[in-house]
Amino acid sequence: DVKVTQSSRYLVKRTGEKVFLECVQDMDHENMFWYRQDPGLGLRLIYFSYDVKMKEKGDIPEGYSVSREKKERFSLILESASTNQTSMYLCASSSSGSRDTQYFGPGTRLTVL
Amino acid sequence: SQKIEQNSEALNIQEGKTATLTCNYTNYSPAYLQWYRQDPGRGPVFLLLIRENEKEKRKERLKVTFDTTLKQSLFHITASQPADSATYLCALSLTTDSWGKLQFGAGTQVVVTP
Repeated sequence: DVKVTQSSRYLVKRTGEKVFLECVQDMDHENMFWYRQDPGLGLRLIYFSYDVKMKEKGDIPEGYSVSREKKERFSLILESASTNQTSMYLCASSSSGSRDTQYFGPGTRLTVL
Repeated sequence: SQKIEQNSEALNIQEGKTATLTCNYTNYSPAYLQWYRQDPGRGPVFLLLIRENEKEKRKERLKVTFDTTLKQSLFHITASQPADSATYLCALSLTTDSWGKLQFGAGTQVVVTP
C-alpha cells in the first residue's frame, strides 16, 4: 500500500515564525502536492512538484515556498506565518501515468496565533 | 470561470437507502473524474475513477456515472450503512493539464442514520 506521512498531526506556531511541514511518500511517486483545506473552500493547491528539484505554483502559492531535494520528500515552508495561514495542510503524491489518482497523507492541522 | 459544484448541504439518509451525490462542472474538459472519501481530520482516500468515454463504473456498493454533455457526475452509495458517513469529494483530471494535477470540489457530507 502507498504510504504518505506528514511530520506532524497538530502544530501551533506564533505569527512571524518560519514553519516547516514535511511530507514523505514510500512508493517512488514522481508527483507530489501540497494543499490547504478550509471549511467551505475545499482543497486548494499551493504548490506541486513533478520531479526532484522541480516545482510549480498552484492556485494559492503566496506566502509559501517548497523544497524537493529527494524524490520521496516534499517540504512546505511558511516563511513568516500569519494567522490567515491557520488551516489543515494535506500532502499527496501520485505516479505519472496512473491517471492522476492521488494518495494523501493524514494532514497537519496548523494553528497560527 | 471554471467551477466544480457539489451540494454544500449535508445529505441525511436512512440506513439501507441509496445516497446520490452530484458533481457539476463548468468550463472544464476533464479526461477523468474521480471520487474520494474523507473522514473528519483525515486525508481523502481514492474510491473510483471514470473516464470521459465511460458512462458508468461500479465498485461493490458504489456506482459512478459521467455525462460529459450535461457536465455532471452522479455518485451512488447503495444499501447505505452508518460506516458510509463521511464527506465525498469529486475531482477532475484535465485533458490539457499535466503532472497529475486535480481540481477538487468542496465535497458533500453524507450522514447515514440507523
